[in-house]
Amino acid sequence: DAGVIQSPRHEVTEMGQEVTLRCKPISGHDYLFWYRQTMMRGLELLIYFNNNVPIDDSGMPEDRFSAKMPNASFSTLKIQPSEPRDSAVYFCASSLAALEREWGTDTQYFGPGTRLTVL
Amino acid sequence: QQPVQSPQAVILREGEDAVINCSSSKALYSVHWYRQKHGEAPVFLMILLKGGEQKGHEKISASFNEKKQQSSLYLTASQLSYSGTYFCGTEYAGTYKYIFGTGTRLKVLA
Repeated sequence: DAGVIQSPRHEVTEMGQEVTLRCKPISGHDYLFWYRQTMMRGLELLIYFNNNVPIDDSGMPEDRFSAKMPNASFSTLKIQPSEPRDSAVYFCASSLAALEREWGTDTQYFGPGTRLTVL
Repeated sequence: QQPVQSPQAVILREGEDAVINCSSSKALYSVHWYRQKHGEAPVFLMILLKGGEQKGHEKISASFNEKKQQSSLYLTASQLSYSGTYFCGTEYAGTYKYIFGTGTRLKVLA
């Protein structure tokens, strides 16, 4: 398997522009996570999906951020309008459900990340 | 709410041991450990479920003390390849929340 695929790998945009980040999870995985990483705030969970349904979006900073998972093999994270403080590395990760537990995830496999710079 | 890791940073000589702690103020359902090298994505090391179990992966092992709401990662006879930032990822009991710890930067010198 190719692993989790993210695109683009690098994105430079100007303040106010719309940005769309894309993720293709590992085939067969039940969970998909979107993370943001910065030096100041570390690794933050923005939102995660289980079987294409958003489970917890409490980490989404504000209404400018939205995420969708129209099918099991594709998800997008959109920022509109973008601001300089949104500059970060955005990771997508996928995992299987932990079968031996009532809920929870197994190993999370991270994509290579998208480095976003908003000028 | 974010789990606190200690120490924040540590420098070792090759062959030395280290312990990284992850402490939570809330009851934990499970703890995952990841290592991230500079400019790369985090890579899974191991997962621990409640029950005080300990797991090992080569010379890296971990324990989970449910009562103390704490997990510790043990690196034995460290190698240069161990350098990176270590994160604990925690699932909280009674919720569907998954939160990463503050991170510990580890550097192993020859």
